[in-house]
Amino acid sequence: GAVVSQHPSWVICKSGTSVKIECRSLDFQATTMFWYRQFPKQSLMLMATSNEGSKATYEQGVEKDKFLINHASLTLSTLTVTSAHPEDSSFYICSGFTSDTQYFGPGTRLTVL
Amino acid sequence: DAKTTQPPSMDCAEGRAANLPCNHSTISGNEYVYWYRQIHSQGPQYIIHGLKNNETNEMASLIITEDRKSSTLILPHATLRDTAVYYCIVRPLGTGNQFYFGTGTSLTVIP
Repeated sequence: GAVVSQHPSWVICKSGTSVKIECRSLDFQATTMFWYRQFPKQSLMLMATSNEGSKATYEQGVEKDKFLINHASLTLSTLTVTSAHPEDSSFYICSGFTSDTQYFGPGTRLTVL
Repeated sequence: DAKTTQPPSMDCAEGRAANLPCNHSTISGNEYVYWYRQIHSQGPQYIIHGLKNNETNEMASLIITEDRKSSTLILPHATLRDTAVYYCIVRPLGTGNQFYFGTGTSLTVIP
């Protein structure tokens, strides 16, 4: 299967700071990538659809000014959590779409103190 | 997107076949059935997908009923490493079509 990487794998930051998470498709080009958030003991919640060269599409209830998504190339999408607060602490997972299938990264654990 | 219903948890003895059911009674004609699994604190792993014919790969088999309202994922010889949460998702083909995850089935393989 196709490989997706994320960086960093975990990050701890202070409240009020911004954090950037990178998502890369290593062996395929992804015109579309997705970002999910997962709280403990819950399922994955789709946050947004990231389209290369255009604006992301956010799911209802997700603040686009807080979760900035940039998909500048066919292999890289970034998620920036701006002015992070403790309630933003979560497991963030990205995925790339190829061959009618979605392949996921390993996830990034964000802890906001 | 069609909703799916899965049992919240299942146990399976190591070495035996694990049969994970999924109901998707409102599935549309152009929607595929996908299965993923998530091992604790990792990203989901693709397993298999299909439209209406049964499918098999090196990981599992997917059996879809003739009316397509339900499906079963079969792990032929479960191992301890198959302990995970298994998600059944239905979605149309196409790059821009999202995958929405339900609550899944937590499978525990017992030694």
